[in-house]
Amino acid sequence: KQEVTQIPAALSVPEGENLVLNCSFTDSAIYNLQWFRQDPGKGLTSLLLIQSSQREQTSGRLNASLDKSSGRSTLYIAASQPGDSATYLCAVRGTGGFKTIFGAGTRLFVKA
Amino acid sequence: DVKVTQSSRYLVKRTGEKVFLECVQDMDHENMFWYRQDPGLGLRLIYFSYDVKMKEKGDIPEGYSVSREKKERFSLILESASTNQTSMYLCASTSGTGFSPLHFGNGTRLTVT
Repeated sequence: KQEVTQIPAALSVPEGENLVLNCSFTDSAIYNLQWFRQDPGKGLTSLLLIQSSQREQTSGRLNASLDKSSGRSTLYIAASQPGDSATYLCAVRGTGGFKTIFGAGTRLFVKA
Repeated sequence: DVKVTQSSRYLVKRTGEKVFLECVQDMDHENMFWYRQDPGLGLRLIYFSYDVKMKEKGDIPEGYSVSREKKERFSLILESASTNQTSMYLCASTSGTGFSPLHFGNGTRLTVT
């Protein structure tokens, strides 16, 4: 059974710092991995999707990597801003169907 | 841009009431999902649908049912609301290919008193 773990659970950094959020998964038979952002009381906003055959994806200040063999993904945020403060979730879709399994998220706080 | 719209942001219902949560997507996606999100438990899949009139149970289907009569609309039904169904409910859709992200609505915060 696929399990997705995110470390750390919470992170506080000063504005301008580069940071890395970690995601690990137990079953490497994945279809894709997706990173989301969630603001308090809101839905999830898709940030990046990495196909199982890809190693990384970039969007603006965000870069996500995928190492399927080791069951790991990282989300790199460059030059963090207070507006980046949110909860970041990673989610893995397995090859066996449509189900997507979510990690518990990393709550990020960027101090001005 | 894909839009997934949930009909209500906040809902307050009484125990025993039948509750309908509606979700509409505008991208002709085959697959639609209902999740609930609770502190400490994360997102849990209730039901999903991969085509009109087709549905499959997720991890926590008890106390819920769903309806998909049209491709763009997926409804979650609480047959007899209970206080332990107080939660944030999130609807999502995707085309199902590996290249298609999962898109979420803004959520419905349901309180059952």
